[in-house]
Amino acid sequence: AQKITQTQPGMFVQEKEAVTLDCTYDTSDPSYGLFWYKQPSSGEMIFLIYQGSYDQQNATEGRYSLNFQKARKSANLVISASQLGDSAMYFCAMKGSARQLTFGSGTQLTVLP
Amino acid sequence: NAGVTQTPKFQVLKTGQSMTLQCAQDMNHNSMYWYRQDPGMGLRLIYYSASEGTTDKGEVPNGYNVSRLNKREFSLRLESAAPSQTSVYFCASSNARGASYEQYFGPGTRLTVT
Repeated sequence: AQKITQTQPGMFVQEKEAVTLDCTYDTSDPSYGLFWYKQPSSGEMIFLIYQGSYDQQNATEGRYSLNFQKARKSANLVISASQLGDSAMYFCAMKGSARQLTFGSGTQLTVLP
Repeated sequence: NAGVTQTPKFQVLKTGQSMTLQCAQDMNHNSMYWYRQDPGMGLRLIYYSASEGTTDKGEVPNGYNVSRLNKREFSLRLESAAPSQTSVYFCASSNARGASYEQYFGPGTRLTVT
């Protein structure tokens, strides 16, 4: 069985600063993918970034980067230069051999002006 | 290119009523999924369809049925709605079965059962 744990229910960050959102996972699958999604208050799910379990380098997409530490089973999302529009709920998710996405409980990020 | 569309956007049901949530995608994806999201929680998989003609149970299938009508459409049916099924329902689709393929989500259906 797969499990995703997000231990930060809420986070605050000052505009223009960087913030790290934590995610740890547990799986017995040798091959898996890790995803981060953003859910603004409007409710839609927006894909941000993906990391494969065999990828040697950490994934980056613009201001988003994924700090992947396989031995620690962690896949933290780093948002650089936070903007007011980054205020949203952020979900970490994993897909393994079952091809199903398993989601964490989410972190509510608030960017302060 | 509309992506993933869901109807209706909002619905209120009385306990015991039935309804079908509709989902369609125009990205020629093989796999489609239904999730529910309860307050303060992440999404939980109800059912999925890895390809046209197949459906499988997810984490929370009780009280639901699904139909993969064709490659584009995947519907979710509540036969006898219960207050515990009050939730936001998301449909998603994905290009392939591999772990590397992201899922694209519809806008969600907010369902209230009284």
